[in-house]
Amino acid sequence: GDSVTQMEGPVTLSEEAFLTINCTYTATGYPSLFWYVQYPGEGLQLLLKATKADDKGSNKGFEATYRKETTSFHLEKGSVQVSDSAVYFCALSEDDYKLSFGAGTTVTVRA
Amino acid sequence: SAVISQKPSRDICQRGTSLTIQCQVDSQVTMMFWYRQQPGQSLTLIATANQGSEATYESGFVIDKFPISRPNLTFSTLTVSNMSPEDSSIYLCSVKTGGDYGYTFGSGTRLTVV
Repeated sequence: GDSVTQMEGPVTLSEEAFLTINCTYTATGYPSLFWYVQYPGEGLQLLLKATKADDKGSNKGFEATYRKETTSFHLEKGSVQVSDSAVYFCALSEDDYKLSFGAGTTVTVRA
Repeated sequence: SAVISQKPSRDICQRGTSLTIQCQVDSQVTMMFWYRQQPGQSLTLIATANQGSEATYESGFVIDKFPISRPNLTFSTLTVSNMSPEDSSIYLCSVKTGGDYGYTFGSGTRLTVV
């Protein structure tokens, strides 16, 4: 079945550092891919998405490119801020129906 | 995107009791999804609630433990029955939103069973 493998955390960075969170997936078809973010004490929010190969999703300085050849959707940000401290979830939806989530990566950014 | 109101936001319950979680959406949606997020874990889909039909449960989840109602296109409830401490989790409802918004989630219900 569908699955998402996500880089385990926790990840601790200094402000203005470069962030990468690796995400790879297994699917039988051509899924849509998502990154969700959960800030402390808040609900889950969509950060970005990509629906087909080579699409790049971007939002709030974060980017991720749908790489079909490597079945990956790595999340990157060039310069993180303290406010980026959160749990990040990679997810996929193959049938446009339900989401399968990765384990989540806790990111802490220190000033 | 859709706006979801979920309540209660948190509760502490005695083992053996049941809790019903409500999810109200500000627009009509065909499918609503219920997820569980156990402490320190990722989200796991419990079931999909369709209006006018029985909910579809994922492997490992059964209707007797997690009965779901879907009386109309904007509302659903999830009941956690005969609770034990292992049911302590965050429960979230979700809907699929059109356009670029993907899936929208409620703010979650943090359940602690003592």
